[in-house]
Amino acid sequence: QQQVKQSPQSLIVQKGGISIINCAYENTAFDYFPWYQQFPGKGPALLIAIRPDVSEKKEGRFTISFNKSAKQFSLHIMDSQPGDSATYFCAASMLTGRRALTFGSGTRLQVQP
Amino acid sequence: DTAVSQTPKYLVTQMGNDKSIKCEQNLGHDTMYWYKQDSKKFLKIMFSYNNKELIINETVPNRFSPKSPDKAHLNLHINSLELGDSAVYFCASSRPGARGETQYFGPGTRLLVL
Repeated sequence: QQQVKQSPQSLIVQKGGISIINCAYENTAFDYFPWYQQFPGKGPALLIAIRPDVSEKKEGRFTISFNKSAKQFSLHIMDSQPGDSATYFCAASMLTGRRALTFGSGTRLQVQP
Repeated sequence: DTAVSQTPKYLVTQMGNDKSIKCEQNLGHDTMYWYKQDSKKFLKIMFSYNNKELIINETVPNRFSPKSPDKAHLNLHINSLELGDSAVYFCASSRPGARGETQYFGPGTRLLVL
C-alpha cells in the first residue's frame, strides 16, 4: 500500500524555469512532510520540510505548498538550475510514535542549460 | 567529518552467502534506521532503533537481522542472500524535535547478489 503518491515520475525543465512536483498522502496521522534531494551515488539529503499548521514554507528558491484538506503538498523550485538536476522524494512521518519516513516514488528532475 | 558512515560502500557476493553492513553516526542521535532503495529508486523503511531498542521491523524477512551495540552504531546482517536482496541499503539517524526531525542518511551500501 503506497501511502504517499508522487508525480511526475520525471521532469525536464529549462534553466530558469519553474519545477513543480506533487505529492498526496493518505494517512491523516502524518504531521511532518519533508522533501529530500538525492544525487547519483549519494544518500538522500533534506531539502525543505513543512508541518501541517502552515500552508506554505519558502527557503531560497524552494517552496513547499501544503493543502491539509486535500491531503496534498508540492515542491516548487524557482529559477531552476542545472545543479538542481537530481531525484526528489517527498516523504511523510509522525513526529511522535512512528518516526520512520514513508517516501514517495521519486521524481527525476533534469534542468537543461 | 562524516556524520553517518557506512561500510562497505560496495558489496558483490554470491547467492546463499551471509554478509554484514556496518553503520556509524557521530551526531549524538538516539534513533537509527535502515532503508532499502530498490532498482526503481523506491525507498522503504526496514528497521528503526531507538537507544539500542528495536522499534520498527517492517515485515522484513527473518534473514535480515539488525544489531545495535550502542547508540552510535547500527549493523545489518543478512543470511542466505537472495538475488532479490540486490539493492542500495541506506543507514540514517535522527533526533526528535517538536517542529521537525531531520534524518541524516549515509552514503549507501550497494549490494549486488549474483
